[in-house]
Amino acid sequence: EDQVTQSPEALRLQEGESSSLNCSYTVSGLRGLFWYRQDPGKGPEFLFTLYSAGEEKEKERLKATLTKKESFLHITAPKPEDSATYLCAVRGSGSRLTFGEGTQLTVNP
Amino acid sequence: DGGITQSPKYLFRKEGQNVTLSCEQNLNHDAMYWYRQDPGQGLRLIYYSQIVNDFQKGDIAEGYSVSREKKESFPLTVTSAQKNPTAFYLCASSTLLAGVGEQYFGPGTRLTVT
Repeated sequence: EDQVTQSPEALRLQEGESSSLNCSYTVSGLRGLFWYRQDPGKGPEFLFTLYSAGEEKEKERLKATLTKKESFLHITAPKPEDSATYLCAVRGSGSRLTFGEGTQLTVNP
Repeated sequence: DGGITQSPKYLFRKEGQNVTLSCEQNLNHDAMYWYRQDPGQGLRLIYYSQIVNDFQKGDIAEGYSVSREKKESFPLTVTSAQKNPTAFYLCASSTLLAGVGEQYFGPGTRLTVT
């Protein structure tokens, strides 16, 4: 059974204070690890897909990295508009994804 | 614009009534999914479909039903058998092309049953 654990559950940062979110996973035959951003009351917004250990993807202040056991979402010099819940998911066999419970990020001005 | 639409955004029903949530996509995706999200929890898969006229149960299918008569549409019915139906419901779709796995989500429907 695929499993995803995200930490911390909640993270509060000051504007400009860089940090990282963690996503630990167990999956039989990883066919993709996905990061999403979700604002309150809205559907998740796709950010990144990572397929193999060592792969990195960047978008503005966000950078996602992948090892064989976990993924990190690095946030550099965050702004208040980066406040959201960040979800991690993995795809094993088939087309279904298994999601973690998310990290709620708050960036204070 | 290509995307996924869900309607309505908010839905209120009395206990014991069935209710159907709409999901339409114009992304030409083969696969569609229904998730449930409760406060402080991740997304839990209810049903998914990879082809028209075929669908599979997810992890929490009891009390729900779906149909897939058209590629673009995947409605979800929350039946009176669902013991705790109040939740945020999300529809998603994805291509089944090899090497592409991300799912794209609609805006969600918040269902309240009293």
